Amino acid sequence: GAGVSQSPRYKVAKRGQDVALRCDPISGHVSLFWYQQALGQGPEFLTYFQNEAQLDKSGLPSDRFFAERPEGSVSTLKIQRTQQEDSAVYLCASSLGPGLLYEQYFGPGTRLTVT
Amino acid sequence: ILNVEQSPQSLHVQEGDSTNFTCSFPSSNFYALHWYRWETAKSPEALFVMTLNGDEKKKGRISATLNTKEGYSYLYIKGSQPEDSATYLCAFYNQGGKLIFGQGTELSVKP
Repeated sequence: GAGVSQSPRYKVAKRGQDVALRCDPISGHVSLFWYQQALGQGPEFLTYFQNEAQLDKSGLPSDRFFAERPEGSVSTLKIQRTQQEDSAVYLCASSLGPGLLYEQYFGPGTRLTVT
Repeated sequence: ILNVEQSPQSLHVQEGDSTNFTCSFPSSNFYALHWYRWETAKSPEALFVMTLNGDEKKKGRISATLNTKEGYSYLYIKGSQPEDSATYLCAFYNQGGKLIFGQGTELSVKP
């Protein structure tokens, strides 16, 4: 069956540009997570959706970051006025149930480079 | 501050060697520990979700143990194969609502 997909896989943005990263979770998965991974580090939590509700956005680094999942399936992470420190791999994951007792299925990530 | 530490950072072994590495996490308010394998150019793949002290899980040649009282988990690979080469990530959940990942152990298995 289809796994989690993300698009684009690579994105180069000039500083100050807005970007939108898309995540298509596994069909029927209730939970969706966004992570940011800097080089040499483990993924860091950004935000969590249970269906269409954004239950935790405490990991979003600034108000330039915004995520939505309006119909409880596809999610978009938007970064406004990108800065060089936003360069990272952005991972999306989904899981079957609510909370964190279910294994997460990850997408391949979007590598964002801000020049 | 919640820290998840993995050791070693990298490991180079020969095909057929057995190996193990460690994930250390805060022992208070434990809820779950996840292990993932991340091969280059692929998505992280779930290996185990562990919740009970003393838990031991196995998938093929890979197994993991959990000690929640002292705050560590071991991942073992028996008879390493080149296809086991990957970064192994652990992630800790303490009811704070998010997974906190370690930096990973990068395993390289030479044929």
